[in-house]
Amino acid sequence: QSVLTQSPSTSGTPGQRVTISCSGSRSNIGSNAVNWYQQLPGMAPKVLIFSNNQRPSGVPDRFSGSKSDTSASLVISGLQPEDEADYFCAVWDDSLSGVWVFGGGTKLTVL
Amino acid sequence: QVQLVQSGAELKKPGASVKVSCQASGYNFISFGVSWVRQAPGQGPEWMGWISAYNGNTKYAQKFQGRVTMTTDASTSTAYMELRSLTPDDTAVYYCARDLYYDSRLGYFEYWGQGTPVTVSS
Repeated sequence: QSVLTQSPSTSGTPGQRVTISCSGSRSNIGSNAVNWYQQLPGMAPKVLIFSNNQRPSGVPDRFSGSKSDTSASLVISGLQPEDEADYFCAVWDDSLSGVWVFGGGTKLTVL
Repeated sequence: QVQLVQSGAELKKPGASVKVSCQASGYNFISFGVSWVRQAPGQGPEWMGWISAYNGNTKYAQKFQGRVTMTTDASTSTAYMELRSLTPDDTAVYYCARDLYYDSRLGYFEYWGQGTPVTVSS
């Protein structure tokens, strides 16, 4: 069971806006910046968002992130077929002497 | 371009050890650190620990303390992760990822290796 809670799955049609949520606690999301990763089948994760809402170069501006209190969200606007993937939130947790924790992942299906 | 190339798949028996390598290229190796992350089948990723390629400082997740050792070889720009006393629960894909050299807490994993499948079975 993951320290960060994500819905197991979500779906949308091309062009739609989809929100993926990540719920944590004071020791992780409440204290540190959240990163989001996209993982295509059989591939390594790829960073989409870092420091809550920053996009690395090359990541389309359709992807945006936000954080409030002990929760974070990833929004995908203008959904595209190639966005079908698993999405994970990740944040440093100050408990247990410090550790990166990941959500269990949300499987996004583009209908 | 930045690349992290990992060693190949491993099949181990319970109680054995595994050592995975991660060779970096395309950047100054000692200016960064390396984190190791594993992912069991159908599960989310799990961070195992971090090593600074600059000074060899390490930070291991409490769960793996005493069972994991991370090292680097600057002469070959290679990071290593050794995990001992393997059990079937250690079956996973193991990834290396480029990290900050001074404090993993403040960074994010921008570049990843391709992953090394490790299977533990009798």
